[in-house]
Amino acid sequence: KAGVTQTPRYLIKTRGQQVTLSCSPISGHRSVSWYQQTPGQGLQFLFEYFSETQRNKGNFPGRFSGRQFSNSRSEMNVSTLELGDSALYLCASSFPGNPYEQYFGPGTRLTVT
Amino acid sequence: QKEVEQDPGPLSVPEGAIVSLNCTYSNSAFQYFMWYRQYSRKGPELLMYTYSSGNKEDGRFTAQVDKSSKYISLFIRDSQPSDSATYLCAMSDNAGNMLTFGGGTRLMVKP
Repeated sequence: KAGVTQTPRYLIKTRGQQVTLSCSPISGHRSVSWYQQTPGQGLQFLFEYFSETQRNKGNFPGRFSGRQFSNSRSEMNVSTLELGDSALYLCASSFPGNPYEQYFGPGTRLTVT
Repeated sequence: QKEVEQDPGPLSVPEGAIVSLNCTYSNSAFQYFMWYRQYSRKGPELLMYTYSSGNKEDGRFTAQVDKSSKYISLFIRDSQPSDSATYLCAMSDNAGNMLTFGGGTRLMVKP
């Protein structure tokens, strides 16, 4: 079974631009969560989607948003990029009924210059 | 103070040693406890998860949870150089959707 895939793997953007990252979950997984990983703050929860609805949101500004499609694929968007948004963005998927058993993708490394 | 605390290491051990990795937490609502392994430039890989207090064993790995002390541990027996990675503990409440992570402990197993 294929794992979680994320595209692109690497991205360089300029301050003020916006970016969209994509995540395809494991087949059959309907919950998709997004996390930000930085050396200073570690792994922090951004938001979680299930059946195209945002169920949980972490403590991030409104510049961070996401959505989920009917095939469970998810995208996250960051608008008006800041230098501090440079991070590894990780997507995780889980099977209905096992939300604590989350499987992560390889991440998208975003660099903001 | 962070909800989940984890010693960043690095922890260096010789091959074959028993490794003990630990996390403490402050939120009594946490019911699920997970351990992830992350190699450099990779996403975290789920090793084990446990519910509430108790022990769970899977091959060379044993996870322990002591909710009364708000303390969890991961033991690795017969450690191998391939175990060299960063180990992250994670926790969630009964809903389970939102994981709260420790900062990770970097482990180095030397041949």
